[in-house]
Amino acid sequence: GAVVSQHPSRVICKSGTSVKIECRSLDFQATTMFWYRQFPKKSLMLMATSNEGSKATYEQGVEKDKFLINHASLTLSTLTVTSAHPEDSSFYICSATRGRGEKLFFGSGTQLSVL
Amino acid sequence: AQTVTQSQPEMSVQEAETVTLSCTYDTSESDYYLFWYKQPPSRQMILVIRQEAYKQQNATENRFSVNFQKAAKSFSLKISDSQLGDAAMYFCAYRFSYSGAGSYQLTFGKGTKLSVIP
Repeated sequence: GAVVSQHPSRVICKSGTSVKIECRSLDFQATTMFWYRQFPKKSLMLMATSNEGSKATYEQGVEKDKFLINHASLTLSTLTVTSAHPEDSSFYICSATRGRGEKLFFGSGTQLSVL
Repeated sequence: AQTVTQSQPEMSVQEAETVTLSCTYDTSESDYYLFWYKQPPSRQMILVIRQEAYKQQNATENRFSVNFQKAAKSFSLKISDSQLGDAAMYFCAYRFSYSGAGSYQLTFGKGTKLSVIP
């Protein structure tokens, strides 16, 4: 089955630093990738949608300059949390679609803790 | 905008028994997909079952089945012969059938935490 690899699984950083999270589709070309954020015991909230070679589309209320998304190839999308602050601490999950998007595959998530 | 509502924040079931998780949604579309995802403590999202709105027949996957009532916009999940490994958060989700590239995002409900009692 299709696999989406997300790395790192856990990261702890100091306030003010930037953190990059990678999302790779290992055995298929992902036409579209999504980034979600999940607070403890809460649902997944869509942050942005990215298509290879074009700018990401951000959901309302998500700061584009804070959460930089790069979808440089059909197998890799990155989320960079710039100048991280404690309120950015959360669980971030990526997902990817193949073909017309009938199926959505999720990464294993990244727990970000900002001290 | 589409909304997905799960009215049961927590549920519990005795091992080997059956439990039903509720989900309602709101949409003006006629063609769409509905999903149930399981999120165990590992937090990996696992697809449990998928239903296409144009199909009248309810989807089934082994011990998991749905009751899809399109007119009522209801999509409940039934877990039969519950096992300890079924304990997890369960999310109901909605997606357009097709809206062009980049529009396959899921709208999730708030989730139901299922506990399985040995």
